[in-house]
Amino acid sequence: KAGVTQTPRYLIKTRGQQVTLSCSPISGHRSVSWYQQTPGQGLQFLFEYFSETQRNKGNFPGRFSGRQFSNSRSEMNVSTLELGDSALYLCASSKRQPTGASSYEQYFGPGTRLTVT
Amino acid sequence: QKEVEQDPGPLSVPEGAIVSLNCTYSNSAFQYFMWYRQYSRKGPELLMYTYSSGNKEDGRFTAQVDKSSKYISLFIRDSQPSDSATYLCAMIAYGGATNKLIFGTGTLLAVQP
Repeated sequence: KAGVTQTPRYLIKTRGQQVTLSCSPISGHRSVSWYQQTPGQGLQFLFEYFSETQRNKGNFPGRFSGRQFSNSRSEMNVSTLELGDSALYLCASSKRQPTGASSYEQYFGPGTRLTVT
Repeated sequence: QKEVEQDPGPLSVPEGAIVSLNCTYSNSAFQYFMWYRQYSRKGPELLMYTYSSGNKEDGRFTAQVDKSSKYISLFIRDSQPSDSATYLCAMIAYGGATNKLIFGTGTLLAVQP
């Protein structure tokens, strides 16, 4: 079974630009969560999408946004990039419970390493 | 105060040693507890998960949860150089509307051959 895939793996952007990252979840998984990982803050939750709807959002500014498509693939977008946005962006896929309750088994992709100069 | 506290290490042990990794937490709503292993420049890999209190064993790995003390542990027996990685604990409330994992900062482990 193929794992979570993320593209691109590496990106270098300059301040003020925008960027779009892509995530394809494990087949059959309909929930995709995005996390930002930095040496100082560790792994921080950005948002979760389930059935094409944003279910939860972390404490990040509105420059961070996302969406999910009908095939469960997800994209996240960061506009007006700042130096502090340099990080590893990880997506995790999971099967939500049939009731919609949270799923403890979340599987991560390899991440996209974004460098903002 | 962070919801989940984890000693960042680094922790250096000789090959064959028993390793103990720990996290404490403050939110009593957490019910599921996970351990992830992350190699350098890779995404976190789910190692083990436990529900509520108790022990769970998988090969050389044992996870323990003590909800009364809000303390979780991961033990690695007969540690190998290939175990060298960052170990992250993560937690989630059961049955809640959120799928948001709360992570510890990770402990960097180095197993010396």
